[in-house]
Amino acid sequence: QKEVEQDPGPLSVPEGAIVSLNCTYSNSAFQYFMWYRQYSRKGPELLMYTYSSGNKEDGRFTAQVDKSSKYISLFIRDSQPSDSATYLCAMTLRGSWGKLQFGAGTQVVVTP
Amino acid sequence: SAVISQKPSRDICQRGTSLTIQCQVDSQVTMMFWYRQQPGQSLTLIATANQGSEATYESGFVIDKFPISRPNLTFSTLTVSNMSPEDSSIYLCSVGGGEEAEQYFGPGTRLTVT
Repeated sequence: QKEVEQDPGPLSVPEGAIVSLNCTYSNSAFQYFMWYRQYSRKGPELLMYTYSSGNKEDGRFTAQVDKSSKYISLFIRDSQPSDSATYLCAMTLRGSWGKLQFGAGTQVVVTP
Repeated sequence: SAVISQKPSRDICQRGTSLTIQCQVDSQVTMMFWYRQQPGQSLTLIATANQGSEATYESGFVIDKFPISRPNLTFSTLTVSNMSPEDSSIYLCSVGGGEEAEQYFGPGTRLTVT
């Protein structure tokens, strides 16, 4: 069993819709949770990170962590065609600087 | 956030040869990390490169196959040795930010082994 599970998609939504992405994980010791966006043939770009359960909002993006369920989510409001990319979740243990466990990524396609 | 550059951006290499990938960061960082992204798979950490000490390799990765250099606080190289088609992958350099959850990645080096 992988430590981090993420549906690969593709997830296709119309422009303006809410994109809902999620990951589940098995290691309850994970403390830090990140979301990356990766465009084709580019490196992953850090979108958001959170340290604990709850919500964090940044513009059109909201990240949620439910540690009791070992489940994290990313919501993208008012989606745009430019949001079409692969979204990667990642997580790490406290003190494990730079040692991230990644999901496989979900491909998102926002259609005009 | 740090600005990270990698060279080459892509390469096609023959089986049995070696390729050295360079990573340059625009600021001094203590730790640099090398990841691999195989087609359709998760990013996987290869090793941690600290300046002035030997690199620390993750399970499944060995120094003979992936030697790493870290001559200063802004530069590192990863060599993929004695390549086989299974080494075809994207190799990514990564550095941390000011907070533990901040981790930034370079643009990657896309390697194809024929």
